[in-house]
Amino acid sequence: AQSVTQLGSHVSVSEGALVLLRCNYSSSVPPYLFWYVQYPNQGLQLLLKYTSAATLVKGINGFEAEFKKSETSFHLTKPSAHMSDAAEYFCAVSEISNFGNEKLTFGTGTRLTIIP
Amino acid sequence: DTEVTQTPKHLVMGMTNKKSLKCEQHMGHRAMYWYKQKAKKPPELMFVYSYEKLSINESVPSRFSPECPNSSLLNLHLHALQPEDSALYLCASSHIRGGREQYFGPGTRLTVT
Repeated sequence: AQSVTQLGSHVSVSEGALVLLRCNYSSSVPPYLFWYVQYPNQGLQLLLKYTSAATLVKGINGFEAEFKKSETSFHLTKPSAHMSDAAEYFCAVSEISNFGNEKLTFGTGTRLTIIP
Repeated sequence: DTEVTQTPKHLVMGMTNKKSLKCEQHMGHRAMYWYKQKAKKPPELMFVYSYEKLSINESVPSRFSPECPNSSLLNLHLHALQPEDSALYLCASSHIRGGREQYFGPGTRLTVT
């Protein structure tokens, strides 16, 4: 089964500083990878996705992620943090179930705090 | 329109009540999902519907009963729940083909008393 590991359950950065959230995946086949953001008491919003078209993926709100097969990583970055970026971030991998359906497997999440 | 709507936003129910959660999407997606999310945890998949047919049940207790009346609607019927079932229930939808992202609704915050 495919899986993702998010290193660091909590990350704090100063406003204007670089944001780096780490995600490593385990997959026997080229994966489909996603980053989602969840603000308090809300659903999940898709930030970006990797589907093998390009290794550097740009998403919404200034976020981007780079797929590195040699490192089995898909880290999320943003050059300059904004207070509104404070949220929970989930990395996810898509896999085909035994019944042929696609299902998402989520990492444990990283809570991002922005320091004024 | 990339919106998935869920009603109600909040629900408080006793252990003997019967209630239903509703989810709707108009993006033409033929896969719809129910997730359960406890505080500070990632979403856990409960059910998957493909072309209005139940295709995945992740060993969910029978007190949760899903229903997909048509390609736009997904219900989750609740009966005789336990306090540990209190959680955020999220609905999502996607296209069927591989690598398609799931779009999530805002969730229903369920409290079982």
